[in-house]
Amino acid sequence: AQTVTQSQPEMSVQEAETVTLSCTYDTSENNYYLFWYKQPPSRQMILVIRQEAYKQQNATENRFSVNFQKAAKSFSLKISDSQLGDTAMYFCAFMIRDGTYKYIFGTGTRLKVLA
Amino acid sequence: DTEVTQTPKHLVMGMTNKKSLKCEQHMGHRAMYWYKQKAKKPPELMFVYSYEKLSINESVPSRFSPECPNSSLLNLHLHALQPEDSALYLCASSPALAYEQYFGPGTRLTVT
Repeated sequence: AQTVTQSQPEMSVQEAETVTLSCTYDTSENNYYLFWYKQPPSRQMILVIRQEAYKQQNATENRFSVNFQKAAKSFSLKISDSQLGDTAMYFCAFMIRDGTYKYIFGTGTRLKVLA
Repeated sequence: DTEVTQTPKHLVMGMTNKKSLKCEQHMGHRAMYWYKQKAKKPPELMFVYSYEKLSINESVPSRFSPECPNSSLLNLHLHALQPEDSALYLCASSPALAYEQYFGPGTRLTVT
């Protein structure tokens, strides 16, 4: 069975600093997708970044980048130059489609950016 | 139009009521999803529609009944709910099953 683990329930970072959120997953499959989603307080969930497992190059979106270590089954999110608007719950998600379909979210990391 | 809309935003219903949640997208996406999210918890997948056909039903109780009338609309019919069904119900869509999802703002449901 596939699992997604986010071991940091809460984190805080000073504005303009860099923070890394961790995510590990467990699967025996080789072809899957990983995502980071952001859910600000009382606002809707939006996609931050996506990574295909077959791609070795780490995905980057502006201030957001991932460190994808396939062998270690690790998918961490780095936020550079943190901004107050980055305060949110961050969910790591795993998706596989191989005869069946699974979309599994981790338990989330609540990030607070401090002024 | 890159939005997923959901109505109503809030819903309070008694255990004997019948109500429906609605979700709409005009991005041409062919996969649509219903999730249930309890406070401070991750979303839990309930149903997945792909090309207007129910692809996944994650062992959801029959008091929840999904419907996909066309490629842009997704409904969730509610009947005889329990107080523990109170939660934020999220709708999402994606171009196809293997793609990132776009979420709506959710309907906050309270069952009294």
